[in-house]
Amino acid sequence: DAGVIQSPRHEVTEMGQEVTLRCKPISGHDYLFWYRQTMMRGLELLIYFNNNVPIDDSGMPEDRFSAKMPNASFSTLKIQPSEPRDSAVYFCASGRGTYGYTFGSGTRLTVV
Amino acid sequence: GDSVTQMEGPVTLSEEAFLTINCTYTATGYPSLFWYVQYPGEGLQLLLKATKADDKGSNKGFEATYRKETTSFHLEKGSVQVSDSAVYFCALINPADYKLSFGAGTTVTVRA
Repeated sequence: DAGVIQSPRHEVTEMGQEVTLRCKPISGHDYLFWYRQTMMRGLELLIYFNNNVPIDDSGMPEDRFSAKMPNASFSTLKIQPSEPRDSAVYFCASGRGTYGYTFGSGTRLTVV
Repeated sequence: GDSVTQMEGPVTLSEEAFLTINCTYTATGYPSLFWYVQYPGEGLQLLLKATKADDKGSNKGFEATYRKETTSFHLEKGSVQVSDSAVYFCALINPADYKLSFGAGTTVTVRA
């Protein structure tokens, strides 16, 4: 079991550029979550999916953010255009409901 | 909505001291409860969990008991080590929607 795999681990981009973060959940897990972590705001839930369907995207900060899950083994979080305030660590997590969720190692995004 | 409240940090202890981090929750229905740990520069790891009243979760010397009457899930360790320095998050999953809700996190520093 390779765990939840996120890529890239680090991303530095210029303001205005498009950024795509990727996540491969653990096989067999039917829930997938995207979180953002900053010193100021802590952990924020952005969106989560069940069986590839978005269930709650109320945490997505604005229209610049979008997330997709085209199949059970892949999800993306896209920011277009990126802004310096989007700098954060973005985590993906997957699981099967009340058993708990496994987190990836995160993507550290820096927008300059 | 669901919420998790945990004691504010930071908490600084000496090695071999007793650690308690208080956590209370508000949820509709009957949630499952979790403690996650985040070591510096890493993602969140599931530390322990409990799925019903009076269940005790335990791992790596840490324990927490699901107290439905007081809606609490306090984390304890009898003798901490420097390697326990981390941020600890209390969390719940509501079986109505399987959303994972976190507390704000408590930073623990153990000094030799």
